[in-house]
Amino acid sequence: NAGVTQTPKFRILKIGQSMTLQCTQDMNHNYMYWYRQDPGMGLKLIYYSVGAGITDKGEVPNGYNVSRSTTEDFPLRLELAAPSQTSVYFCATRDRGSTDTQYFGPGTRLTVL
Amino acid sequence: GQQLNQSPQSMFIQEGEDVSMNCTSSSIFNTWLWYKQDPGEGPVLLIALYKAGELTSNGRLTAQFGITRKDSFLNISASIPSDVGIYFCAGRTSGTYKYIFGTGTRLKVLA
Repeated sequence: NAGVTQTPKFRILKIGQSMTLQCTQDMNHNYMYWYRQDPGMGLKLIYYSVGAGITDKGEVPNGYNVSRSTTEDFPLRLELAAPSQTSVYFCATRDRGSTDTQYFGPGTRLTVL
Repeated sequence: GQQLNQSPQSMFIQEGEDVSMNCTSSSIFNTWLWYKQDPGEGPVLLIALYKAGELTSNGRLTAQFGITRKDSFLNISASIPSDVGIYFCAGRTSGTYKYIFGTGTRLKVLA
């Protein structure tokens, strides 16, 4: 039972490049989230999904896209990388129900130069 | 974007001391959560609170849901070196799936 896995762990992009951050979970959780954490700051919600085929914007969605074709996977796409997107990206899952426990992945550290 | 304000931003304490931190919001939340983040890892949930005035403990940690529903508090008693990390509060409004996170309190424990 791996929980939440994120790939890659680290990545350096040039301005204007694109990439996909992968997030996979094996807990069969309905809800999945993408957050970014800038240095010395808290987490800001980028996008979230309440189930396969359903996604919605969070606080800071500009410059990102997501898809949720399966329960297990929730990739985050950066189309035209900008230095402002340098951050650590965390994926999280939550089971449907009364509990608010989110399970976080280990994060992807992205630098855009 | 909206964020919760946490204080203090950082604190250095001696091992064995008690620690208090708080989180305030301009909005009402129906759920308050406290997380701990170790360096290089994702946050881990410590305590969840669901009712105004609720006091909940998890070992040496005690958290309270403020009666105004606009604040929450976390206390750590008899701190130990492994308490080092960043503590985040988070809030959720009833009927939504979204969480707003605080700015974090960075705790360092001196042995």
